[in-house]
Amino acid sequence: SAVISQKPSRDICQRGTSLTIQCQVDSQVTMMFWYRQQPGQSLTLIATANQGSEATYESGFVIDKFPISRPNLTFSTLTVSNMSPEDSSIYLCSVKDTRQETQYFGPGTRLLVL
Amino acid sequence: GNSVTQMEGPVTLSEEAFLTINCTYTATGYPSLFWYVQYPGEGLQLLLKATKADDKGSNKGFEATYRKETTSFHLEKGSVQVSDSAVYFCALSENSGAGSYQLTFGKGTKLSVIP
Repeated sequence: SAVISQKPSRDICQRGTSLTIQCQVDSQVTMMFWYRQQPGQSLTLIATANQGSEATYESGFVIDKFPISRPNLTFSTLTVSNMSPEDSSIYLCSVKDTRQETQYFGPGTRLLVL
Repeated sequence: GNSVTQMEGPVTLSEEAFLTINCTYTATGYPSLFWYVQYPGEGLQLLLKATKADDKGSNKGFEATYRKETTSFHLEKGSVQVSDSAVYFCALSENSGAGSYQLTFGKGTKLSVIP
């Protein structure tokens, strides 16, 4: 399975600022995903980020609010822009193993917006 | 569309008790099924999976069998430990074509095991 790391692991931010979350994988993967997990809730897919193409956003998520970069096959960033307290969540990076029908998850970034 | 329904929590059990967490799904095709576990303060870990009907996934004493006839993938463990306290998520994946790949999660079931 892939080993995935995220930075930062947690942060406390002020309303109106932006935070960029980094996701690093120890192997080359085509498909990467960003999820949000609001407090006490399940996971919601924000977008799919495939290398070499624009990220595909799910309903309710827009590029201006959550811009994503995917410069190579081992790295991606998610920016949470113009934050409000409603953005307080855990943000998780995930990759799909190309040999198996399986997604693996990073440890998550715990964001609190004041 | 696809959906996953799992039993409401929280579930509280005594150590060495038998665990069942029910999970049923709705899918248009032939999905793969997963159980993920989230320990307190951590991300999601894959616990087990099954990719076709009648497959049994197993790991760390947990088991789940892919039942196509009942569209279910119930998680079981014969004797739980305090260290099993976590939130358990049932999920399905289905290739929706054009290179996309959707993973649909249930709402999660929080398990607390008391000594």
